[in-house]
Amino acid sequence: AQSVTQLGSHVSVSEGALVLLRCNYSSSVPPYLFWYVQYPNQGLQLLLKYTSAATLVKGINGFEAEFKKSETSFHLTKPSAHMSDAAEYFCAVSSSASKIIFGSGTRLSIRP
Amino acid sequence: DTAVSQTPKYLVTQMGNDKSIKCEQNLGHDTMYWYKQDSKKFLKIMFSYNNKELIINETVPNRFSPKSPDKAHLNLHINSLELGDSAVYFCASSQGVSDRGVLGGYTFGSGTRLTVV
Repeated sequence: AQSVTQLGSHVSVSEGALVLLRCNYSSSVPPYLFWYVQYPNQGLQLLLKYTSAATLVKGINGFEAEFKKSETSFHLTKPSAHMSDAAEYFCAVSSSASKIIFGSGTRLSIRP
Repeated sequence: DTAVSQTPKYLVTQMGNDKSIKCEQNLGHDTMYWYKQDSKKFLKIMFSYNNKELIINETVPNRFSPKSPDKAHLNLHINSLELGDSAVYFCASSQGVSDRGVLGGYTFGSGTRLTVV
């Protein structure tokens, strides 16, 4: 069985500060891992994905995530937050099943 | 040119009515999905079709019936709508699946906000 846990339903950072959104996964086989972003009243957009190549994955809008097998983690980071980063972020896992399982989401707020 | 398009974007209807949501993708993907997002933003898979064949049918009331006339289209019909059906419904597509999981991740449509009154 596969599952994903996002730590923190709401994260607030100041503009220009580091963004860190935490995600831990559970999978019996090597997984594919994803981060998606959802802006208000929009669909989900793929930020980045891990498919077992490089463990440090770079995505769009300056985001990156590191796959750590020993910690079963796939945390999302961005060095400097921008007001336009305010959105809901979803970590997701897919392994052996024909579907993607999503975490419960983390709402990111940016303080001016 | 929208990759995954859903219609309608908004749907307000009375309890007991029957309604349909349509989805089309122009990415040449083999697999399509329906997800339900509740008011707390939780995403739950409902159905999946791979090249017109139903491959996932989660625990969903029989009032929900998907239909895929071809691999570019996946529609969702809902009978006897209930208040609890109010949610945002997302269509998504992917290149396909492997023994490692969903290839390339999903491309999502913009969603259909269903409100049952």
